[in-house]
Amino acid sequence: SQQGEEDPQALSIQEGENATMNCSYKTSINNLQWYRQNSGRGLVHLILIRSNEREKHSGRLRVTLDTSKKSSSLLITASRAADTASYFCATDQTGANNLFFGTGTRLTVIP
Amino acid sequence: EAGVAQSPRYKIIEKRQSVAFWCNPISGHATLYWYQQILGQGPKLLIQFQNNGVVDDSQLPKDRFSAERLKGVDSTLKIQPAKLEDSAVYLCASSLVRSTGELFFGEGSRLTVL
Repeated sequence: SQQGEEDPQALSIQEGENATMNCSYKTSINNLQWYRQNSGRGLVHLILIRSNEREKHSGRLRVTLDTSKKSSSLLITASRAADTASYFCATDQTGANNLFFGTGTRLTVIP
Repeated sequence: EAGVAQSPRYKIIEKRQSVAFWCNPISGHATLYWYQQILGQGPKLLIQFQNNGVVDDSQLPKDRFSAERLKGVDSTLKIQPAKLEDSAVYLCASSLVRSTGELFFGEGSRLTVL
């Protein structure tokens, strides 16, 4: 499969805690993106990290990329109930024309 | 700025019937994508347009699925005849830059085939 895989499949935390989700992929990439999907809604872009970058921040989000291990992590700090959603990584693979989405991590933040 | 518009939001049909979904991308976005998202899975690309030309339709089941973007703006995805396994959410997305940039998604069209 060309898709990435997120780990864990599901994560449940208390409000205020940090949430970490991981993404592994199989081929070389130009960039890796993270998206959020609320139940019954479309996907919303969160952050893009290029293959020559190792870490990127956006508000409460921190993304890391390790191209040698073909993996990325998304950290959400000080989680809120509104962060409850599914999170997907998507890879822009070298030589391909489109993004390949992973299987997603379902995050539940308990108030 | 208006987002990606999709309709209908929900559709229930019986197997072997046909269905069509419509998408209007963000103004100025040359690239348009149709994704299929089966419950519990990530989106899977069906077809990608650059203006009104097809860039990638390798994952489109062409015996039953068709899509067009005649004037390089809005697009229609059709399924005929539908099978039970076509039950999914059909997501339309658009982007300024092909594949390397951020995708903007619509709310999706949820299809249930009975």
